[in-house]
Amino acid sequence: QVQLVQSGAEMQKPGASVTVSCKASGYTFTDYFLHWVRQAPGQGLEWMGWINPKSGGTSFAQRFQGRVTMSRDTPNMTVYMEVTSLTSDDTAVYYCTREKESGYDSYPFDIWGQGTVVIVSS
Amino acid sequence: EIVLTQSPGTLSLSPGERATLSCKASQNVNSNYFAWYQQKFGQAPTLLIYAASTRATGIPDRFSGSGSGTDFTLTINRLEPEDFALYYCQQYNFSPRTFGQGTKLEIK
Repeated sequence: QVQLVQSGAEMQKPGASVTVSCKASGYTFTDYFLHWVRQAPGQGLEWMGWINPKSGGTSFAQRFQGRVTMSRDTPNMTVYMEVTSLTSDDTAVYYCTREKESGYDSYPFDIWGQGTVVIVSS
Repeated sequence: EIVLTQSPGTLSLSPGERATLSCKASQNVNSNYFAWYQQKFGQAPTLLIYAASTRATGIPDRFSGSGSGTDFTLTINRLEPEDFALYYCQQYNFSPRTFGQGTKLEIK
């Protein structure tokens, strides 16, 4: 079945970096954008950016530009998100989620990964 | 950036009652690009409604969405115990994609 499976929980120190992976299965990997959304403890959902697995193109929310990178490994149907210069404000659950790729239209996020807890603490 | 404001913040109802959740956008959103998600405690969100009023696959018909422009509504008829959760609205008309801050639906 269609699935997005994320890597396990991470604990990092302030100033460090973290990379979270998201492995897709059950569908054509290049037919869907993969977005990252995070949720701080007790807070709402915050969109971070997306990667187009077909082209490798990316787009980020302004507040994450320069601090977040996204990459893909197409043969292994996996995308990666790296967040650098971590602070305690980056403590959150990070979700990957997919959107149908159209080129001219937008679609909702229909499948979500299970989430990856990232804790930033000294 | 489009700001989505959900109300109420918390809604306390009993099973069998009807829930009405509101989401107001800071500017017009094309209703073809508006969604609602449900999030149960400790789980990832799931898509409930897209294009403002279309139920996602497997969503029961007690869930319905409506609205246009800046005002959107999620209605849940005959609340079931499993419906008590967090609900988020989202617009995917413009970048950045934005979510409302959420409405918690709790058992009264």
